[in-house]
Amino acid sequence: QKEVEQNSGPLSVPEGAIASLNCTYSDRGSQSFFWYRQYSGKSPELIMSIYSNGDKEDGRFTAQLNKASQYVSLLIRDSQPSDSATYLCAVNSNTGGFKTIFGAGTRLFVKA
Amino acid sequence: EAGVAQSPRYKIIEKRQSVAFWCNPISGHATLYWYQQILGQGPKLLIQFQNNGVVDDSQLPKDRFSAERLKGVDSTLKIQPAKLEDSAVYLCASSLLGSTSTDTQYFGPGTRLTVL
Repeated sequence: QKEVEQNSGPLSVPEGAIASLNCTYSDRGSQSFFWYRQYSGKSPELIMSIYSNGDKEDGRFTAQLNKASQYVSLLIRDSQPSDSATYLCAVNSNTGGFKTIFGAGTRLFVKA
Repeated sequence: EAGVAQSPRYKIIEKRQSVAFWCNPISGHATLYWYQQILGQGPKLLIQFQNNGVVDDSQLPKDRFSAERLKGVDSTLKIQPAKLEDSAVYLCASSLLGSTSTDTQYFGPGTRLTVL
């Protein structure tokens, strides 16, 4: 079982729709969760972080965390073609030493 | 505030040759990370420094990869000898502390390595 799992996609949504990206993780000791956006040929950039159960909203982005289910998601409202990128889920854990594990990413295409 | 700097941006070498990458983190950031990102995969941590000490190098192929962070600022990652499977983007990141799980990592532009 991979430590951080994401559906590789591609996920295709029409412009203006809600894009829903999902991530599951295996380490119950994980404490912090991050969503990075990576455009093709570019480096990852942080868009959201979440540390406690529930929802966290920032503009068009909402991160949702459920530690009991070991599940974290990212919702993008009013999707724009400029949101087309790969979205990486990253999980920080202090179990066995502090470390960050990245998922393989989900490719998102927003059709104009 | 200047971001994480990396050089070179691109490198093409033949297998069995050696190569070195350089990274300068954001000023004041104690922790520096080197990641390897193979096409279609997420970044994989190779080594993590806090100041000039190694925190984690469990996934660094030590028979061919080495890294150092002298004086706790910039860092060099070396591969010697390179193999075809080392073709990837090498990302450097830094964070302010690195010792807390909420610390945010900031990535440099990466070095794209092609091994022929």
